[in-house]
Amino acid sequence: AQTVTQSQPEMSVQEAETVTLSCTYDTSESNYYLFWYKQPPSRQMILVIRQEAYKQQNATENRFSVNFQKAAKSFSLKISDSQLGDTAMYFCALFSGGGADGLTFGKGTHLIIQP
Amino acid sequence: EPEVTQTPSHQVTQMGQEVILRCVPISNHLYFYWYRQILGQKVEFLVSFYNNEISEKSEIFDDQFSVERPDGSNFTLKIRSTKLEDSAMYFCASSGTGGFAIDTQYFGPGTRLTVL
Repeated sequence: AQTVTQSQPEMSVQEAETVTLSCTYDTSESNYYLFWYKQPPSRQMILVIRQEAYKQQNATENRFSVNFQKAAKSFSLKISDSQLGDTAMYFCALFSGGGADGLTFGKGTHLIIQP
Repeated sequence: EPEVTQTPSHQVTQMGQEVILRCVPISNHLYFYWYRQILGQKVEFLVSFYNNEISEKSEIFDDQFSVERPDGSNFTLKIRSTKLEDSAMYFCASSGTGGFAIDTQYFGPGTRLTVL
C-alpha cells in the first residue's frame, strides 16, 4: 500500500515571506507522479503543481516550486512571496500505476498567511 | 478553460434515503473518479471509472454505492440508503485524453452531502 505523510498540521507566515510545506511518501512503484493541491475555504480542490518521478528537474509554477528528493521519498512545496490568497489547506498526493488509479492524499497542512 | 462541474452544491437528505450526485467531467477525458472528504479529514478515493465500467474501488465503496455514466457527458454517484456517516464533501474528478496525459486529475467544486 502506498502512503503520503504531511507532518505539519498548520503553519503560519507573514505575507511576502517564503514558506515550505513538507511531504513524504512511500510507494513500491517505479513510475509515479506527485501533486500538490490547494483547498481554499470554498473547499474546491485546485491543482498547484505536479512532478513526474522520472524527471530529475524540480517542477516550478510561478511562485510555487518543489524540492523532489526521490531517494529520500520527499516532496516539499515552496511558496515564495506568499500572498493572502495563498491561505488554504494544502494536500500532497501520489498517483501511480495506470490511469484508473485513485490519488492517495496526505492529511493536509493548513497554511495561514498573516497580513 | 474547461472544468469539471458538479450538482447540486449542497444536498440535505434523511437517513435511509437515496441520493444521486451528478458530475460533468471535462469533455474528451477518459477517466472519471469519485472522492470523499469527511469534514476535517483527508480526501479519500472511492472509485474510478473507465470505458464504461469500474476500474478500481476502495474499501469504502461498498454495495450501497454505485456509479453510472448514463450519457456521453454525465457521471453519477448513487448512495442507495444514506447513513449519518455518509455526510461528507464528495468530489468528482476526471483525467486523461490518452497517452501521457492520463495522470493529472482535475477536480470539481464538490457536493456537500448532509445526512440527518
